[in-house]
Amino acid sequence: SYVLTQPPSVSVAPGKTARITCGGNNLGDKNVHWYQQKPGQGPVLVMYFDDDRPSGIPERFSGSNSGNTATLTISRVEAADEAVYYCQVWDGTRDQPEYVFGGGTTVTVL
Amino acid sequence: QITLKESGPPLVKPTQTLTLTCTFSGFSFDTSEVAVAWIRQPPGKALEWLALIYWDDDQRYTPAMRTRVTMTKDTPKNQVVLQMTNVAPMDTATYYCAYQAKVGMRWFDTWGQGTLVTVSS
Repeated sequence: SYVLTQPPSVSVAPGKTARITCGGNNLGDKNVHWYQQKPGQGPVLVMYFDDDRPSGIPERFSGSNSGNTATLTISRVEAADEAVYYCQVWDGTRDQPEYVFGGGTTVTVL
Repeated sequence: QITLKESGPPLVKPTQTLTLTCTFSGFSFDTSEVAVAWIRQPPGKALEWLALIYWDDDQRYTPAMRTRVTMTKDTPKNQVVLQMTNVAPMDTATYYCAYQAKVGMRWFDTWGQGTLVTVSS
């Protein structure tokens, strides 16, 4: 089965840029989606189709995907961005799909 | 506005059957291509997709859970139900239901707040 690898944690100072990576074999051939999860809450979609933002997600959030790595970039980081971020891809076939999640990256705002 | 809310027993004994309900608003299974999924998260661990049901009652399950999990829907009530048989302590997790807007949009637009289920004797 397909595996997505994320760094366990990323620390960033307020106002700086956080980059969260997600690695997978030929990941650039897939569409990557990202979720933000704050303590005690359900995940929130923050990026889909690699680099599309849902309505209501700040422009500070951007995404890219190439080769074996996808990246979620948060510019001008704010305290409210502190959360766990998960990447996700769809794998398998129409008859047997698999929604695969990465292990999650905890973003700490210093 | 789309909302989903999970409900079910907080504590289940090993070998029992777990039944969870997801009640949603803001969309309907009368709309083509919508789907609802169940995803779980063991304490301190990552998300794990379990099952998905489409507007036309077509269902998909993750292979590892196929023999233990069944997902059904009640269109008039705007609900989906997950049944998991023969539960074990490793099934302890927060269970989420999530909305998928269209076939081909292989992500989850909106999630519920989750319900924590503990499997223990």
